Amino acid sequence: EAGVAQSPRYKIIEKRQSVAFWCNPISGHATLYWYQQILGQGPKLLIQFQNNGVVDDSQLPKDRFSAERLKGVDSTLKIQPAKLEDSAVYLCASSLDLRRTRANVLTFGAGSRLTVL
Amino acid sequence: RKEVEQDPGPFNVPEGATVAFNCTYSNSASQSFFWYRQDCRKEPKLLMSVYSSGNEDGRFTAQLNRASQYISLLIRDSKLSDSATYLCAVNFAGNQFYFGTGTSLTVIP
Repeated sequence: EAGVAQSPRYKIIEKRQSVAFWCNPISGHATLYWYQQILGQGPKLLIQFQNNGVVDDSQLPKDRFSAERLKGVDSTLKIQPAKLEDSAVYLCASSLDLRRTRANVLTFGAGSRLTVL
Repeated sequence: RKEVEQDPGPFNVPEGATVAFNCTYSNSASQSFFWYRQDCRKEPKLLMSVYSSGNEDGRFTAQLNRASQYISLLIRDSKLSDSATYLCAVNFAGNQFYFGTGTSLTVIP
Protein backbone atom coordinates (compact mmCIF):
# COMPACT_ATOMS: atom_id res chain seq x y z
CA GLU A 1 0.00 0.00 0.00
CA ALA A 2 1.40 3.40 -0.97
CA GLY A 3 1.90 5.76 1.93
CA VAL A 4 1.03 9.41 2.40
CA ALA A 5 2.83 11.48 -0.22
CA GLN A 6 3.97 15.04 0.44
CA SER A 7 5.85 17.65 -1.53
CA PRO A 8 8.09 19.53 -1.48
CA ARG A 9 10.29 17.89 1.13
CA TYR A 10 12.19 21.11 1.79
CA LYS A 11 11.45 24.76 1.20
CA ILE A 12 13.39 27.88 2.12
CA ILE A 13 11.68 31.24 1.75
CA GLU A 14 12.04 34.74 3.06
CA LYS A 15 9.53 36.21 5.47
CA ARG A 16 6.45 37.70 3.85
CA GLN A 17 6.74 35.31 0.91
CA SER A 18 4.17 32.60 0.25
CA VAL A 19 4.50 28.83 0.13
CA ALA A 20 2.26 25.89 -0.64
CA PHE A 21 2.49 22.26 0.40
CA TRP A 22 0.75 19.33 -1.23
CA CYS A 23 -0.43 16.06 0.23
CA ASN A 24 -1.90 12.89 -1.23
CA PRO A 25 -3.30 10.56 1.45
CA ILE A 26 -3.42 6.79 1.47
CA SER A 27 -6.02 5.58 -1.01
CA GLY A 28 -9.42 5.20 0.61
CA HIS A 29 -8.60 7.29 3.67
CA ALA A 30 -11.46 9.70 4.21
CA THR A 31 -9.82 11.79 6.91
CA LEU A 32 -6.84 14.03 6.21
CA TYR A 33 -4.89 16.11 8.71
CA TRP A 34 -2.27 18.82 8.56
CA TYR A 35 0.01 19.11 11.56
CA GLN A 36 2.73 21.64 12.33
CA GLN A 37 5.75 20.36 14.23
CA ILE A 38 8.17 22.92 15.55
CA LEU A 39 11.60 21.63 16.57
CA GLY A 40 11.47 20.05 20.00
CA GLN A 41 7.67 19.95 20.15
CA GLY A 42 4.99 17.43 19.34
CA PRO A 43 2.80 17.69 16.24
CA LYS A 44 0.13 20.37 16.56
CA LEU A 45 -3.09 19.86 14.65
CA LEU A 46 -3.77 22.69 12.20
CA ILE A 47 -6.73 21.37 10.27
CA GLN A 48 -8.70 18.17 9.81
CA PHE A 49 -10.78 17.23 6.77
CA GLN A 50 -13.40 14.55 6.47
CA ASN A 51 -13.66 13.92 2.72
CA ASN A 52 -13.76 17.50 1.40
CA GLY A 53 -15.30 19.10 4.47
CA VAL A 54 -13.47 20.77 7.35
CA VAL A 55 -13.97 19.04 10.71
CA ASP A 56 -11.64 21.15 12.85
CA ASP A 57 -9.59 24.21 11.97
CA SER A 58 -9.63 25.84 15.39
CA GLN A 59 -5.84 26.03 15.60
CA LEU A 60 -5.24 27.21 12.04
CA PRO A 61 -3.97 30.83 11.95
CA LYS A 62 -6.52 31.85 9.39
CA ASP A 63 -5.04 35.27 8.77
CA ARG A 64 -2.13 33.62 6.98
CA PHE A 65 -2.82 29.90 6.62
CA SER A 66 -5.36 28.29 4.32
CA ALA A 67 -6.03 24.71 3.30
CA GLU A 68 -8.31 22.96 0.90
CA ARG A 69 -9.25 19.46 -0.13
CA LEU A 70 -11.51 20.16 -3.06
CA LYS A 71 -12.17 16.67 -4.41
CA GLY A 72 -11.88 14.83 -1.14
CA VAL A 73 -8.53 13.28 -2.02
CA ASP A 74 -5.37 15.39 -2.13
CA SER A 75 -4.94 18.61 -0.21
CA THR A 76 -2.88 21.78 -0.23
CA LEU A 77 -1.79 23.94 2.69
CA LYS A 78 -0.79 27.51 1.94
CA ILE A 79 0.97 30.12 4.04
CA GLN A 80 0.81 33.74 2.94
CA PRO A 81 2.62 35.79 4.12
CA ALA A 82 5.10 33.62 6.00
CA LYS A 83 6.60 34.65 9.33
CA LEU A 84 9.81 33.53 10.97
CA GLU A 85 7.85 31.52 13.53
CA ASP A 86 6.31 29.43 10.74
CA SER A 87 9.60 27.57 10.37
CA ALA A 88 8.60 24.00 11.11
CA VAL A 89 7.87 20.64 9.56
CA TYR A 90 4.40 20.41 8.08
CA LEU A 91 3.14 16.87 8.40
CA CYS A 92 0.21 15.50 6.49
CA ALA A 93 -1.53 12.42 7.86
CA SER A 94 -4.53 10.35 6.97
CA SER A 95 -6.80 7.79 8.57
CA LEU A 96 -9.77 5.64 7.67
CA ASP A 97 -13.18 6.88 8.69
CA LEU A 98 -13.92 4.20 11.26
CA ARG A 99 -15.66 6.25 13.88
CA ARG A 100 -17.21 3.29 15.58
CA THR A 101 -14.09 1.28 16.14
CA ARG A 102 -10.85 1.81 17.95
CA ALA A 103 -8.90 0.41 15.04
CA ASN A 104 -8.45 3.80 13.44
CA VAL A 105 -4.80 4.71 13.13
CA LEU A 106 -3.05 7.84 11.91
CA THR A 107 -0.38 7.46 9.23
CA PHE A 108 2.00 10.31 8.47
CA GLY A 109 3.77 11.43 5.35
CA ALA A 110 7.48 12.28 5.41
CA GLY A 111 6.72 15.95 5.98
CA SER A 112 7.64 19.25 4.34
CA ARG A 113 10.38 21.14 6.15
CA LEU A 114 9.94 24.91 5.92
CA THR A 115 12.62 27.42 6.79
CA VAL A 116 11.62 31.08 6.84
CA LEU A 117 14.54 33.53 6.74
CA ARG B 1 -4.30 23.42 29.46
CA LYS B 2 -2.79 21.03 26.93
CA GLU B 3 -4.86 18.10 25.78
CA VAL B 4 -1.96 15.67 26.17
CA GLU B 5 1.08 16.11 28.39
CA GLN B 6 4.35 14.23 28.55
CA ASP B 7 7.63 14.61 30.39
CA PRO B 8 10.00 15.72 27.60
CA GLY B 9 13.01 14.09 29.26
CA PRO B 10 15.63 13.53 28.06
CA PHE B 11 15.96 10.02 29.37
CA ASN B 12 19.49 8.65 29.07
CA VAL B 13 19.67 4.98 29.98
CA PRO B 14 22.29 2.24 29.57
CA GLU B 15 21.73 -0.68 27.24
CA GLY B 16 19.68 -3.38 28.88
CA ALA B 17 17.87 -1.02 31.23
CA THR B 18 14.13 -0.79 31.67
CA VAL B 19 12.58 2.62 31.11
CA ALA B 20 9.02 3.86 31.49
CA PHE B 21 7.24 6.88 30.06
CA ASN B 22 3.94 8.33 31.18
CA CYS B 23 1.48 10.54 29.41
CA THR B 24 -1.62 12.25 30.79
CA TYR B 25 -4.66 13.43 28.87
CA SER B 26 -7.30 15.95 29.83
CA ASN B 27 -10.40 14.79 27.99
CA SER B 28 -12.17 11.95 29.76
CA ALA B 29 -14.14 11.24 26.57
CA SER B 30 -10.98 10.17 24.78
CA GLN B 31 -11.57 7.00 22.86
CA SER B 32 -8.31 5.48 21.77
CA PHE B 33 -4.67 5.83 22.62
CA PHE B 34 -1.38 5.27 20.87
CA TRP B 35 2.37 5.47 21.20
CA TYR B 36 4.30 6.74 18.19
CA ARG B 37 8.04 6.65 17.67
CA GLN B 38 9.81 9.50 15.90
CA ASP B 39 13.40 9.24 14.77
CA CYS B 40 15.45 12.39 14.20
CA ARG B 41 14.23 14.30 11.12
CA LYS B 42 11.68 11.60 10.31
CA GLU B 43 7.92 11.42 10.57
CA PRO B 44 6.18 9.79 13.56
CA LYS B 45 5.43 6.11 13.06
CA LEU B 46 2.98 4.03 15.01
CA LEU B 47 4.68 1.95 17.68
CA MET B 48 1.59 0.47 19.28
CA SER B 49 -2.00 1.08 20.15
CA VAL B 50 -2.96 1.06 23.83
CA TYR B 51 -5.90 -1.01 24.98
CA SER B 52 -7.74 -0.94 28.29
CA SER B 53 -6.44 -4.34 29.29
CA GLY B 54 -2.87 -3.37 28.52
CA ASN B 55 -0.92 -4.87 25.67
CA GLU B 56 2.54 -6.12 24.99
CA ASP B 57 4.64 -6.31 21.86
CA GLY B 58 7.98 -7.94 22.48
CA ARG B 59 9.97 -5.69 24.80
CA PHE B 60 7.29 -2.99 24.77
CA THR B 61 4.30 -2.87 27.12
CA ALA B 62 1.59 -0.23 26.99
CA GLN B 63 -0.97 0.39 29.68
CA LEU B 64 -4.02 2.60 29.98
CA ASN B 65 -5.49 3.93 33.22
CA ARG B 66 -8.79 5.60 32.38
CA ALA B 67 -9.58 6.53 35.98
CA SER B 68 -6.39 8.56 36.29
CA GLN B 69 -6.33 9.51 32.62
CA TYR B 70 -2.85 8.40 31.78
CA ILE B 71 -1.11 5.96 29.50
CA SER B 72 2.30 4.45 29.93
CA LEU B 73 4.96 2.78 27.84
CA LEU B 74 7.50 0.39 29.30
CA ILE B 75 10.58 -0.64 27.37
CA ARG B 76 12.51 -3.59 28.72
CA ASP B 77 16.07 -4.57 27.81
CA SER B 78 16.72 -1.28 26.01
CA LYS B 79 18.65 -1.43 22.75
CA LEU B 80 20.71 1.29 21.10
CA SER B 81 18.15 1.25 18.30
CA ASP B 82 15.42 2.30 20.75
CA SER B 83 16.93 5.80 20.87
CA ALA B 84 14.21 8.09 19.54
CA THR B 85 11.43 10.41 20.65
CA TYR B 86 8.28 8.69 21.87
CA LEU B 87 5.02 10.54 21.31
CA CYS B 88 1.76 9.65 22.95
CA ALA B 89 -1.41 10.32 21.00
CA VAL B 90 -5.04 10.44 22.02
CA ASN B 91 -8.01 10.09 19.71
CA PHE B 92 -11.04 12.10 20.72
CA ALA B 93 -14.53 11.75 19.35
CA GLY B 94 -14.67 12.96 15.80
CA ASN B 95 -11.51 11.14 14.85
CA GLN B 96 -9.30 13.92 16.23
CA PHE B 97 -5.77 12.95 17.17
CA TYR B 98 -3.81 15.04 19.65
CA PHE B 99 -0.16 14.50 20.49
CA GLY B 100 2.06 15.15 23.45
CA THR B 101 5.35 16.97 23.16
CA GLY B 102 7.27 13.71 23.04
CA THR B 103 9.80 12.12 25.37
CA SER B 104 13.38 11.85 24.18
CA LEU B 105 15.19 8.57 24.88
CA THR B 106 18.88 7.93 24.37
CA VAL B 107 20.20 4.45 25.04
CA ILE B 108 23.88 4.56 25.92
CA PRO B 109 26.32 1.73 25.13
